[in-house]
Amino acid sequence: EVQLVESGGGLVQPGGSLRLSCAASGFTFSTYWMNWVRQAPGKGLVWVSRLSKDADIAIYADSVKGRFTVSRDNAKNTLYLQMNSLTGEDTAVYYCARDGTSRGPDFDVWGQGTVVTVAS
Amino acid sequence: QSALTQPRSVSGSPGQSVTISCTGTSSDVLTYDYVSWYQFHPGEAPKLIIYDVIKRPSGVPDRFSGSKSGNTASLTISGLQAEDEADYYCCTDAGSYMVVFGGGTRLTVL
Repeated sequence: EVQLVESGGGLVQPGGSLRLSCAASGFTFSTYWMNWVRQAPGKGLVWVSRLSKDADIAIYADSVKGRFTVSRDNAKNTLYLQMNSLTGEDTAVYYCARDGTSRGPDFDVWGQGTVVTVAS
Repeated sequence: QSALTQPRSVSGSPGQSVTISCTGTSSDVLTYDYVSWYQFHPGEAPKLIIYDVIKRPSGVPDRFSGSKSGNTASLTISGLQAEDEADYYCCTDAGSYMVVFGGGTRLTVL
């Protein structure tokens, strides 16, 4: 079964850091671009970051650029999101999503999400 | 990276058709034929229902269809069913590998 499972969410104080993980299974992880998408409480989906299959191209939304770092370990079939200098505006459910076969964004597999709460 | 513009809510009765619009700019929707749509039931993972403007992944009913005209993409759901009640998001390429979502539309089946 094709599956993505996020982990690493939790409660963190403003200014703190957190690393999210996304474990992939059921497909050849190393051949797909991957993404992080988040949804703040009561808000819509917002794209956060995208990483090429070889990890040579990493792109970020302006709101997280310079604070978040996306990476992957293809040997472990795992995607990561290192989040630093967190603020309340980063409070959200974070989803990892697989880029499908289209040249454009077609996120065909999603995880169930992990909750990040930034509060003192 | 301004969000694509979607109506906050739409509604329809079972059996009817509804259309959800998604308006972007010359930098995204107009330029790229890569609009995708996602169905999002609360508590579940989002589900891809349309990609590349008009294509449906396997398993998605043909009641769901997509189109685009200029800088506006549309999702049409025909033969509305109760289980179609959900949030719907459009998404497209914003250039330089960046991605932008719409603000989301809540579909209510009356």
